Amino acid sequence: QVHLQQWGAGLLKPSETLSLTCAVSGGSFSPYYWSWIRQPPGKGLEWIGQIDHRGDTDYNPSLKSRVAMSADMSKSQFSLSLNFVTATDTAVYFCARVHPASYHMDVWGNGATVSVSS
Amino acid sequence: EIVLTQSPGTLSLSPGERATLTCRASQSVSSSHLAWYQQKPGQAPRLLMYGTSVRATGVPDRFSGGGSETDFTLTLSGLEPEDFAVYYCQQYGVSSVTFGGGTKVEIK
Repeated sequence: QVHLQQWGAGLLKPSETLSLTCAVSGGSFSPYYWSWIRQPPGKGLEWIGQIDHRGDTDYNPSLKSRVAMSADMSKSQFSLSLNFVTATDTAVYFCARVHPASYHMDVWGNGATVSVSS
Repeated sequence: EIVLTQSPGTLSLSPGERATLTCRASQSVSSSHLAWYQQKPGQAPRLLMYGTSVRATGVPDRFSGGGSETDFTLTLSGLEPEDFAVYYCQQYGVSSVTFGGGTKVEIK
């Protein structure tokens, strides 16, 4: 059974860089895509972007200038970096596995709460 | 970017009733790339349906999905207590993913 374990700093100050990592266990890293999604308090889901096993990325156009994703197949891990954070980046951040044919997300991490406050 | 609009925002129903949730896209979406998720408070979303009408593993057959192009539906026939939650549709197109704003199904 595939499991995603995510971690990273939970409290940031404005202008700092958010860094999260998600580790994949119980399954293969390829040929899937691996995605990050966030959910501000009391709001809906927002796709941040995705990376595949080759390192090819797609990003949400609204976040593209501040986002970077990377993947380490040898460790079955992928990471998210979001720079120059503000209070509007406060959210629960989820990692998820994406099927390459239909782009649905069938396995999700438990979520990591990130708060941005001065 | 394809915008997904879900309606209604909130659906108040009693257990045993039928729920019909709608997801409307701002432009045509491939039926292969339309999915539905269920989310309960404090939990990650759970995949319910993909490819418009294919139930994910373990999803009971009271859940069904349909639609095409810009109009998609998720139907819950005979609500069970565990079905009261928020439901999101999601699409993939042109190297980008978007989610709908969600429909909350609450107990009347």
